[in-house]
Amino acid sequence: DAKTTQPTSMDCAEGRAANLPCNHSTISGNEYVYWYRQIHSQGPQYIIHGLKNNETNEMASLIITEDRKSSTLILPHATLRDTAVYYCIGRTPDSGGSNYKLTFGKGTLLTVNP
Amino acid sequence: GAVVSQHPSWVICKSGTSVKIECRSLDFQATTMFWYRQFPKQSLMLMATSNEGSKATYEQGVEKDKFLINHASLTLSTLTVTSAHPEDSSFYICSGGGGQHYNEQFFGPGTRLTVL
Repeated sequence: DAKTTQPTSMDCAEGRAANLPCNHSTISGNEYVYWYRQIHSQGPQYIIHGLKNNETNEMASLIITEDRKSSTLILPHATLRDTAVYYCIGRTPDSGGSNYKLTFGKGTLLTVNP
Repeated sequence: GAVVSQHPSWVICKSGTSVKIECRSLDFQATTMFWYRQFPKQSLMLMATSNEGSKATYEQGVEKDKFLINHASLTLSTLTVTSAHPEDSSFYICSGGGGQHYNEQFFGPGTRLTVL
């Protein structure tokens, strides 16, 4: 498993961009970087994933450094509803190969303030 | 994204009883389902992985005879907590993936279990 390191918490003003960093210096060449978030007392929600190239979808952008040792999740215009714990995960193949385990770390608690 | 439901959303039971939690993929076929447990202020811990029609694979330290997992169809997996005790009180979350969603896992809303 690629060990990921994230700040414990971050604050962001409503309407501003939230940039959440993640270090994954031991990530292997075929390991994807996944981002999920968990709003209090709910199940995690998939946000985005990537391998080498930067990715963007309707929720966020993912910027991966060229050496793949770190990445940044960007929420372009944070709202109060984006307050959640954000998890950066290196995807690990399981023995069956049909799907992949996700190993959750402690994540970053993002608090969006009015 | 695809939708996964869980039932019940919360349950309170007496110590020594068994509790069954259902996890359903509503609009896709989940060839693989995962069960997680989350204690207060902690992260999700994977308990087991189940592939449809096969026995579940349990993570180290998870008692397979206590946490019975059945994945009999591509849209339904169940977790039964047998002889529940107060230390089993937790937030149980399932996720589904595979098939057309090979690269993603979709999570259910979770089930809050409280054992008295």
